[in-house]
Amino acid sequence: EPEVTQTPSHQVTQMGQEVILRCVPISNHLYFYWYRQILGQKVEFLVSFYNNEISEKSEIFDDQFSVERPDGSNFTLKIRSTKLEDSAMYFCASRGGSYYEQYFGPGTRLTVT
Amino acid sequence: KNEVEQSPQNLTAQEGEFITINCSYSVGISALHWLQQHPGGGIVSLFMLSSGKKKHGRLIATINIQEKHSSLHITASHPRDSAVYICAVNKGTSYDKVIFGPGTSLSVIP
Repeated sequence: EPEVTQTPSHQVTQMGQEVILRCVPISNHLYFYWYRQILGQKVEFLVSFYNNEISEKSEIFDDQFSVERPDGSNFTLKIRSTKLEDSAMYFCASRGGSYYEQYFGPGTRLTVT
Repeated sequence: KNEVEQSPQNLTAQEGEFITINCSYSVGISALHWLQQHPGGGIVSLFMLSSGKKKHGRLIATINIQEKHSSLHITASHPRDSAVYICAVNKGTSYDKVIFGPGTSLSVIP
């Protein structure tokens, strides 16, 4: 069964460093998402991406964040200058069409020290 | 106030019991999702619905659009059902922005 994959599973970085989280969505999907979940809190929407551009973003998704689909298969989330409060689990998801459910990746745990 | 609320927050059940988890929301929605988050953190989509009822195995999800309420039922619960169950909604007409509830932590004891 096709699945969304994410790498790395765990990333440790120092405050102020740039990180890139990688996702490979399901191959025929058109819509891509990033979510985050701070430990012990609920999942929060960050951004959605369709047709090579951001379709929606939340208040959390400020200028330090960016997304890209560099090669038609990967979907990346870049955090330019990490802060301690960026420590969280980051989930990628994809869906195939307008009325289809989202498929989630296993998540990347980001720890900022 | 949270736009998506769930009850109960925590639930412990004996194996075999019938379980109900409730979700209420305060915004207009285009769809509602029930998700399962395993102890390791992974998220699995269980249902996406915008009206009526859906059934998959021992799981049943219902939604009442007028009352802005949905329920997830688990029949003949099993310890492997132990997980956090999350209700989430697509707000307004968007199929993109999803607002998540706080989750219900279910523990099924043998």
